[in-house]
Amino acid sequence: SAVISQKPSRDICQRGTSLTIQCQVDSQVTMMFWYRQQPGQSLTLIATANQGSEATYESGFVIDKFPISRPNLTFSTLTVSNMSPEDSSIYLCSVEGAQAGFQETQYFGPGTRLLVL
Amino acid sequence: SQKIEQNSEALNIQEGKTATLTCNYTNYSPAYLQWYRQDPGRGPVFLLLIRENEKEKRKERLKVTFDTTLKQSLFHITASQPADSATYLCAWGSSASKIIFGSGTRLSIRP
Repeated sequence: SAVISQKPSRDICQRGTSLTIQCQVDSQVTMMFWYRQQPGQSLTLIATANQGSEATYESGFVIDKFPISRPNLTFSTLTVSNMSPEDSSIYLCSVEGAQAGFQETQYFGPGTRLLVL
Repeated sequence: SQKIEQNSEALNIQEGKTATLTCNYTNYSPAYLQWYRQDPGRGPVFLLLIRENEKEKRKERLKVTFDTTLKQSLFHITASQPADSATYLCAWGSSASKIIFGSGTRLSIRP
């Protein structure tokens, strides 16, 4: 299993500022994922982060707005840049994991609850 | 476009009854479907995975079915308990590199 922690757990920010969210895993993993979950909505994949390469962003998400770092196999950061109230969401990181023998599953962190005023 | 839909936004069930949640997909044939549980303020937790060539999968009080003809997966919780109250997410993918989640069903079990 994988244990994932995220910092901060929540924050209130002013529009126009940036926030960096950290994700730490207790084991080495190849792929890490960043999701956004807007109020009352499901999870939307922002990007996939592999160590040693540029993150791969999904349609509708760009590196200038959501820069991602992946300096090693246990850590990643997501920055939400130039924030607006529309960025108020829960941001979750996850890693692939062989849960119950299934490679296709993911472990999730507890999430970072962001409110932009 | 590929879509995965969970029909009910919310479901209220009497304790002890069987809760049945529905997940429908269109415009693709997933290799598998997964079900996750999400509690308020927490990330989703994996429950069950069922592959396209499997009809049914069980885990304790949980049962998942996969009907490729109806393009549907059903998720059952038997002998439901208030502790089962949570949001349940259906998800699909062809690998671990990209999982698409449904909008979720908020399940409430009343004593």
